[in-house]
Amino acid sequence: QQQVKQSPQSLIVQKGGISIINCAYENTAFDYFPWYQQFPGKGPALLIAIRPDVSEKKEGRFTISFNKSAKQFSLHIMDSQPGDSATYFCAAPNTGGFKTIFGAGTRLFVKA
Amino acid sequence: DGGITQSPKYLFRKEGQNVTLSCEQNLNHDAMYWYRQDPGQGLRLIYYSQIVNDFQKGDIAEGYSVSREKKESFPLTVTSAQKNPTAFYLCASSIQGSYNEQFFGPGTRLTVL
Repeated sequence: QQQVKQSPQSLIVQKGGISIINCAYENTAFDYFPWYQQFPGKGPALLIAIRPDVSEKKEGRFTISFNKSAKQFSLHIMDSQPGDSATYFCAAPNTGGFKTIFGAGTRLFVKA
Repeated sequence: DGGITQSPKYLFRKEGQNVTLSCEQNLNHDAMYWYRQDPGQGLRLIYYSQIVNDFQKGDIAEGYSVSREKKESFPLTVTSAQKNPTAFYLCASSIQGSYNEQFFGPGTRLTVL
């Protein structure tokens, strides 16, 4: 089964620091790479997404970096805040395009 | 306000009982999904439906059943055949053709007593 491999499993960052979460995918036919943010007891929400025709996308403090040749994409959270403490999931479509494959998630804790 | 609602928020079930989790959306989305979330395992797809009266098994469909009689509704039944049903269940929807942009409900936490 196709996979999206996400790392690290958990991450602790000081307030104001940079949080970096990585994902690797297998299928080069994937054409959309979203990141979801989930707070405890809530459903995930789409945070930011990128298509492989660009190498970087920035929205506020959140940036996706995309490396097509390495089949990797990363989420960078600049100036991390305690309110960013959540679980983050990367995702990619399966070959049929009707389903999304999610990474295992990264639990981020930002220390005040 | 448009969105997805799930009910109940918490559900307790005795072993051997079937229970049904509700999912309703007013986003006019064609596609709907059910996921199961366990600690450290991310989201696993149970069933999905692209249109009314049609649905497909996901990766962990055993012990679950669904129906899609209306566009707005996609209830999930957890049957007694599901050996380890205690989990957080998430419903999602998306526009047909934009399957990656999924909108999630608040979830239902099911506990088997």
